Amino acid sequence: EAGVTQSPTHLIKTRGQQVTLRCSPISGHTSVYWYQQALGLGLQFLLWYDEGEERNRGNFPPRFSGRQFPNYSSELNVNALELEDSALYLCASSAGYTGELFFGEGSRLTVL
Amino acid sequence: AQSVTQLGSHLSVSEGALVLLRCNYSSSVPPYLFWYVQYPNQGLQLLLKYTTGATLVKGINGFEAEFKKSETSFHLTKPSAHMSDAAEYFCAVNRGYGGSQGNLIFGKGTKLSVKP
Repeated sequence: EAGVTQSPTHLIKTRGQQVTLRCSPISGHTSVYWYQQALGLGLQFLLWYDEGEERNRGNFPPRFSGRQFPNYSSELNVNALELEDSALYLCASSAGYTGELFFGEGSRLTVL
Repeated sequence: AQSVTQLGSHLSVSEGALVLLRCNYSSSVPPYLFWYVQYPNQGLQLLLKYTTGATLVKGINGFEAEFKKSETSFHLTKPSAHMSDAAEYFCAVNRGYGGSQGNLIFGKGTKLSVKP
């Protein structure tokens, strides 16, 4: 069974640009979570989607947004990129409210 | 409010030595507690979890953790370190009751180095 898949794996952008990251959850999982892992800051919760709806949002500005599609895959969009947005963006999925998250390998974003 | 504190951002042990990674939590609801491991350039992999029941939890790769409510702790141990255990370890707690808030709150991680 395929795990959580993310694309792209690496990308480089410049300040002010926009980026879209994609995530496909494990088959049968309806919840998708996005986390930002920046150097020295640990894992910061960004967004939680379940059944196509945004259920919870972390303490990030509105230029971080996303959506979940009917097939439960998800996109994370970041507008007006800033240098401090450079990080590993991790997507995770879960089946129901078990608390256990299954992570993808991440998309590493570098903003120059 | 939920929070997790991991004592020590780095830990170095010799191969064959005991591994002890410390985690303390704060939770306003019955906690679900997790340990994840992250190898270089990879995502996070679940090592073990505590939800209810037995307080000593065994996980993969010989790791185990004990939930101590009186000490609000969930320390991770392994009797004998292997070189392959070198990685970063994250403790996490559920945000809401029974995971109802979905996402987990993570500690800042402890990077484990294993010396030959």
